[in-house]
Amino acid sequence: ELKVEQNPLFLSMQEGKNYTIYCNYSTTSDRLYWYRQDPGKSLESLFVLLSNGAVKQEGRLMASLDTKARLSTLHITAAVHDLSATYFCAVSTGANSKLTFGKGITLSVRP
Amino acid sequence: EAQVTQNPRYLITVTGKKLTVTCSQNMNHEYMSWYRQDPGLGLRQIYYSMNVEVTDKGDVPEGYKVSRKEKRNFPLILESPSPNQTSLYFCASSLQLNYGYTFGSGTRLTVV
Repeated sequence: ELKVEQNPLFLSMQEGKNYTIYCNYSTTSDRLYWYRQDPGKSLESLFVLLSNGAVKQEGRLMASLDTKARLSTLHITAAVHDLSATYFCAVSTGANSKLTFGKGITLSVRP
Repeated sequence: EAQVTQNPRYLITVTGKKLTVTCSQNMNHEYMSWYRQDPGLGLRQIYYSMNVEVTDKGDVPEGYKVSRKEKRNFPLILESPSPNQTSLYFCASSLQLNYGYTFGSGTRLTVV
């Protein structure tokens, strides 16, 4: 059974500092997704990582994938208040669209 | 505008009264899925579909049915809702497996 773990579950960040959050998964996967959810809102797709060593960047967020370690990291550069949200990673395997989500990491940026 | 549309946004119903939550996408996406989101449990996949007439169970399919008779629509049916199905439900679609999913706005269901 595929399990996806995210840690920490909650992170209070100081504006302007750098942080990294983690996503571990238990079995080989073909695709790793990162999503963002603002309070009371839907989910927004951030990144899709497909291969070992893949790195994608958008603004202050950079996601990477290490398939050997079964680990994805989301690095936040110079945190700003707008990044406050819950971030989910999700993993899928094979030629189907079965998707397993982690429980999410809630980030809060304080001045 | 490209979007996934769910209806209704909010629904309060009574135990045992059949209901359908509709989901429609206008992006010609092959893949569609339903999820439920519960506090402390994250999102869990209920059913998914890879094309018309092709559906499969996710992690929590009990008590739910789906159908995919047309590419754009993927309704979620609760034949006999129970209070443990009180949750926030999301429909999502994607063009390909290697693309991110587009999520609908969500349906907050309360079963009393």
